Amino acid sequence: DAKTTQPNSMESNEEEPVHLPCNHSTISGTDYIHWYRQLPSQGPEYVIHGLTSNVNNRMASLAIAEDRKSSTLILHRATLRDAAVYYCILNKAAGNKLTFGGGTRVLVKP
Amino acid sequence: DAGVIQSPRHEVTEMGQEVTLRCKPISGHDYLFWYRQTMMRGLELLIYFNNNVPIDDSGMPEDRFSAKMPNASFSTLKIQPSEPRDSAVYFCASSVGFRNQPQHFGDGTRLSIL
Repeated sequence: DAKTTQPNSMESNEEEPVHLPCNHSTISGTDYIHWYRQLPSQGPEYVIHGLTSNVNNRMASLAIAEDRKSSTLILHRATLRDAAVYYCILNKAAGNKLTFGGGTRVLVKP
Repeated sequence: DAGVIQSPRHEVTEMGQEVTLRCKPISGHDYLFWYRQTMMRGLELLIYFNNNVPIDDSGMPEDRFSAKMPNASFSTLKIQPSEPRDSAVYFCASSVGFRNQPQHFGDGTRLSIL
């Protein structure tokens, strides 16, 4: 199965944008890119997913490189409530078995 | 809307005891997943069900672990006998459909085996 690589941690200031990179150089044509986040003492929470085109929803934006070997999750204005571990996951088009990696721990400073 | 409900939130028990974790998925969801999270191994999928039928249990660590889903609104994960290395946070999740649908997670059960 294709793997993803994310930085261990990132810091951001409140109300500034946060760009979270994810490398997935071995992605296959049928792999979707999913993002989940996990707040302290809670279960993971779905954020967004996409295949080839950039995606936007109320939580975030997902920018996918043209060759699909990397992607970036964008939080447009970070709040203290966005402090969490963010996971980038590849999911087969016909499946839904999530394989969580180490994720990126985001710290938001007031 | 009620989310995925897990009980108990915390469980502390002694080695060798039977442990039963419970999950109520979101109404109308036809897939249910059990995960385990530890510092060493992160989040791992243990087993998942479709329409109450176990589909893939390849992540279940050993025969001491068993999971059932007697109906669409209830599932259990049982450990018998429990061991200290089973200490972890166990999450249940549910989804509508399987094809790249968001999974909705409960808040987990923190299990400590002494």
